[in-house]
Amino acid sequence: DVKVTQSSRYLVKRTGEKVFLECVQDMDHENMFWYRQDPGLGLRLIYFSYDVKMKEKGDIPEGYSVSREKKERFSLILESASTNQTSMYLCASSLTGTGGFQPQHFGDGTRLSIL
Amino acid sequence: KQEVTQIPAALSVPEGENLVLNCSFTDSAIYNLQWFRQDPGKGLTSLLLIQSSQREQTSGRLNASLDKSSGRSTLYIAASQPGDSATYLCAVRVESNYQLIWGAGTKLIIKP
Repeated sequence: DVKVTQSSRYLVKRTGEKVFLECVQDMDHENMFWYRQDPGLGLRLIYFSYDVKMKEKGDIPEGYSVSREKKERFSLILESASTNQTSMYLCASSLTGTGGFQPQHFGDGTRLSIL
Repeated sequence: KQEVTQIPAALSVPEGENLVLNCSFTDSAIYNLQWFRQDPGKGLTSLLLIQSSQREQTSGRLNASLDKSSGRSTLYIAASQPGDSATYLCAVRVESNYQLIWGAGTKLIIKP
């Protein structure tokens, strides 16, 4: 079974701090994704990476950056945390198989609170 | 622009009932559609994936159907159990695009 592990289940930080959220997958997937999930808004894609050191902006990249130095690890960085970044953050990974992108597998999420 | 809608936002039914969850999308040019389950405070678990060329997929008590022309998918749950209580999300992959377009989910409560 695919295992996607997010480093923290709950995290509390202060406004202005630099925050790192880590995600590791163990199935050699090419693609990794960071989403945020807010009540009534569903999942929104922040960034996507299709290979080491490669990234693409999603729908809401402002205030975030990402790093993918190794295939198994995808980091989300909040450069200067703000209260409107309080949310549930979900990481996912997938293969690029024949026929295009394969189903995404999700971690358990990190509930981040910015005070 | 593709939009995905799930109605109702919440549903409560007695244990044992068969039920249907709805997902609609505005653009029929989809690559596939996926149903997920999310337990409170947890990540998402993939339930069923239907390719655009398929009409339905089944897994145990779950059956998902797809009607591209009408822009609709349904998730049928047979003989519901309290353990089925969760939020169910559908997501559409637009053709030739990595992105998933998500519905906001239906929160399902099965009463014992």
